[in-house]
Amino acid sequence: ELKVEQNPLFLSMQEGKNYTIYCNYSTTSDRLYWYRQDPGKSLESLFVLLSNGAVKQEGRLMASLDTKARLSTLHITAAVHDLSATYFCAVADYGGATNKLIFGTGTLLAVQP
Amino acid sequence: EAQVTQNPRYLITVTGKKLTVTCSQNMNHEYMSWYRQDPGLGLRQIYYSMNVEVTDKGDVPEGYKVSRKEKRNFPLILESPSPNQTSLYFCASRTMGETQYFGPGTRLLVL
Repeated sequence: ELKVEQNPLFLSMQEGKNYTIYCNYSTTSDRLYWYRQDPGKSLESLFVLLSNGAVKQEGRLMASLDTKARLSTLHITAAVHDLSATYFCAVADYGGATNKLIFGTGTLLAVQP
Repeated sequence: EAQVTQNPRYLITVTGKKLTVTCSQNMNHEYMSWYRQDPGLGLRQIYYSMNVEVTDKGDVPEGYKVSRKEKRNFPLILESPSPNQTSLYFCASRTMGETQYFGPGTRLLVL
């Protein structure tokens, strides 16, 4: 059974600092996603990671995937207040006749001035 | 504009009164899913559909039904809602190889 563990659950950062959110999963997967959710809003897709060693960057966010370790990281560089949100990783099992997507519990990021 | 729409956005109901939450997408996507979001639990998949007339259970299907009679629509049915189904519900769709697009969410309160 595919399980996804995300940590930390809550992260309070100062502006300008760097930090990393971790996403571990239990079995092999087709792909891994990172999403952002602002309070009271829907989920916005940030990154899709498909293969071992994949790295994607958008602004101050960089996501990477190590399929051998079953680990993905979301690195935040020089945080700014606008990055305050909840971030979710989600691991897909799209093989065969399934369309399963298992989410981590989310990381609530609060960037303080 | 490409989008996933859900209705209603907010709903207060009483235990046992059947309700339906509609979901529609205009992107001709094959795959659609329903999720519920609860504090501390992230999002959990309720049901998904691979195409018209093809549906299957996700991780938390108890107390829910779905149907996929048309490609664009994927309604979520609660035949006899109970308070433990109070939650925030999201519908999502995707096509092969793409990320999921999420609807705006439906906040349900069952008294």
